[in-house]
Amino acid sequence: AQRVTQPEKLLSVFKGAPVELKCNYSYSGSPELFWYVQYSRQRLQLLLRHISRESIKGFTADLNKGETSFHLKKPFAQEEDSAMYYCALGNTGKLIFGQGTTLQVKP
Amino acid sequence: GAVVSQHPSRVICKSGTSVKIECRSLDFQATTMFWYRQFPKQSLMLMATSNEGSKATYEQGVEKDKFLINHASLTLSTLTVTSAHPEDSSFYICSASRGASDTQYFGPGTRLTVL
Repeated sequence: AQRVTQPEKLLSVFKGAPVELKCNYSYSGSPELFWYVQYSRQRLQLLLRHISRESIKGFTADLNKGETSFHLKKPFAQEEDSAMYYCALGNTGKLIFGQGTTLQVKP
Repeated sequence: GAVVSQHPSRVICKSGTSVKIECRSLDFQATTMFWYRQFPKQSLMLMATSNEGSKATYEQGVEKDKFLINHASLTLSTLTVTSAHPEDSSFYICSASRGASDTQYFGPGTRLTVL
């Protein structure tokens, strides 16, 4: 079965600390993985996708097929990073979302 | 670019009535639109995929006669919740993409409350 698991509902860190939001997936084929972010009172927006291998707002994510993971990382968290983060698996255009992790960056 | 709007942003209706939610792509042509449902503190669950000019494809467990989807143009899709009941109360979110496997751009969502 296709599934995305984000084990942490809430991750709280201090400004300047490293951040890692975990995402594990279950998929039989070649996965297409995404991270979406939702800032307070805003709509969901794409943060990054694994095929782009890019860094957006200092965030990176590496697909690890051996561990079936796509963790989101940032070396130094900023207060403006506080938001809800969703990991998603793409399957023929459809998206399967994880439960989401709330990142809280404290001053 | 790539802005998606939804209307209304929130609606309250009586049990048994029908409610229509619109999803528009404002500055691009959306061949494919998706409808999601989000319960409080839960993730987004895909309800259906609609391609312009075609019948929508519903996910398992979603009643197609209850949630009518129309995608009559490249910029508009509508979701009609028919004979709404309190258990239909939820946050409904649409997304639009230029093609089936292209990036999805999300609308702001519609909060439906059925009394």
